[in-house]
Amino acid sequence: NAGVTQTPKFQVLKTGQSMTLQCAQDMNHNSMYWYRQDPGMGLRLIYYSASEGTTDKGEVPNGYNVSRLNKREFSLRLESAAPSQTSVYFCASRDGAGARGYTFGSGTRLTVV
Amino acid sequence: GQQLNQSPQSMFIQEGEDVSMNCTSSSIFNTWLWYKQDPGEGPVLLIALYKAGELTSNGRLTAQFGITRKDSFLNISASIPSDVGIYFCAGVPFLTSGTYKYIFGTGTRLKVLA
Repeated sequence: NAGVTQTPKFQVLKTGQSMTLQCAQDMNHNSMYWYRQDPGMGLRLIYYSASEGTTDKGEVPNGYNVSRLNKREFSLRLESAAPSQTSVYFCASRDGAGARGYTFGSGTRLTVV
Repeated sequence: GQQLNQSPQSMFIQEGEDVSMNCTSSSIFNTWLWYKQDPGEGPVLLIALYKAGELTSNGRLTAQFGITRKDSFLNISASIPSDVGIYFCAGVPFLTSGTYKYIFGTGTRLKVLA
């Protein structure tokens, strides 16, 4: 089915380890986003990519880096994981035509111990 | 950062009851969206609103874009058990409308008692 695919679904990291969260969409959307979801905090934007070749910081970018590899793929990297990065991470994409809502992936649940 | 205040935070209702929830902001928004999130899944778009005063329905769901452009409301009529989940409002602030960086509310957790 068309949509946004995130891998892995679950991950446990030790403090200081690094990892990359993968996201791919097959809807030919221009814009892609990474959000984190924490209890009582809603969804907060980490980074976004308005189009292929561009990335920009969101509300909570510290400790993260992103790569817009091509139009389909947008990865999120944690260089040195910290317990404060324990969260559920969602990737989303949006059709560039007008103010439409996002299509979200099913999330990656990350625990940093 | 800017936040959307969503209320209530949680609610328990009986099957068949109507549900109302709202979302408010301190600044003007150009677009309001309502999402539902099921456990273990990403949010799914329910309704999008683009003009002040707009009233839009999607089955048993009805949402309205507030006249002041600082609030939005979602109503669910005749709730059923599958309505359980977390409902999020989201919006695009007027000042950042070109970027489509949506701001999300903290969610309303709905539980339906059969």
